Amino acid sequence: GAVVSQHPSWVICKSGTSVKIECRSLDFQATTMFWYRQFPKQSLMLMATSNEGSKATYEQGVEKDKFLINHASLTLSTLTVTSAHPEDSSFYICSARDSKVSWNEQFFGPGTRLTVL
Amino acid sequence: DAKTTQPPSMDCAEGRAANLPCNHSTISGNEYVYWYRQIHSQGPQYIIHGLKNNETNEMASLIITEDRKSSTLILPHATLRDTAVYYCIVRVYSGGGADGLTFGKGTHLIIQP
Repeated sequence: GAVVSQHPSWVICKSGTSVKIECRSLDFQATTMFWYRQFPKQSLMLMATSNEGSKATYEQGVEKDKFLINHASLTLSTLTVTSAHPEDSSFYICSARDSKVSWNEQFFGPGTRLTVL
Repeated sequence: DAKTTQPPSMDCAEGRAANLPCNHSTISGNEYVYWYRQIHSQGPQYIIHGLKNNETNEMASLIITEDRKSSTLILPHATLRDTAVYYCIVRVYSGGGADGLTFGKGTHLIIQP
């Protein structure tokens, strides 16, 4: 199946700093990528939809100025958590949809665990 | 997307078939049933999807009732590596665009040795 990678797999940062997380589709082109967040013992929550070459669409309650998304190419989307605080500590997961697949399967990355001290 | 109901947890003996139920009584005619699973601390993995016919692939089988109000995911010979949270998601097929997935709480399947 299609492979999606994320980098880094985990990161620890100080409060107030910014962290960038990369999501790459390795063997397919993805016009659409999604960013999810998962807090401990909870389910995944969709944060935003990232479309190549256009602005991301954010879910209600997600601050677009805090979670900056860039999808500059068909294989790369980045999520930057700006001025991170301890409450932003979470498991961030991206997924990508193969542009050539007619039905709506999404392939997920392995996730990035962010810990803000 | 239609709401789904799944048992919070299930146990299954290794080597036996694991049958995971999902209720989706408000499903509409153009909504598909998707199953994903998430092994601890990993990203979700697609398993299977279907509309109204039963489906089978190398991972699992999906049985959808005739009225489509419920479905069962079957892992024919469960192994310890199948221990995960299994999510049943009902959603409209959107071939042109794409929507993010709405995850419920899922079923935590524990395979016992």
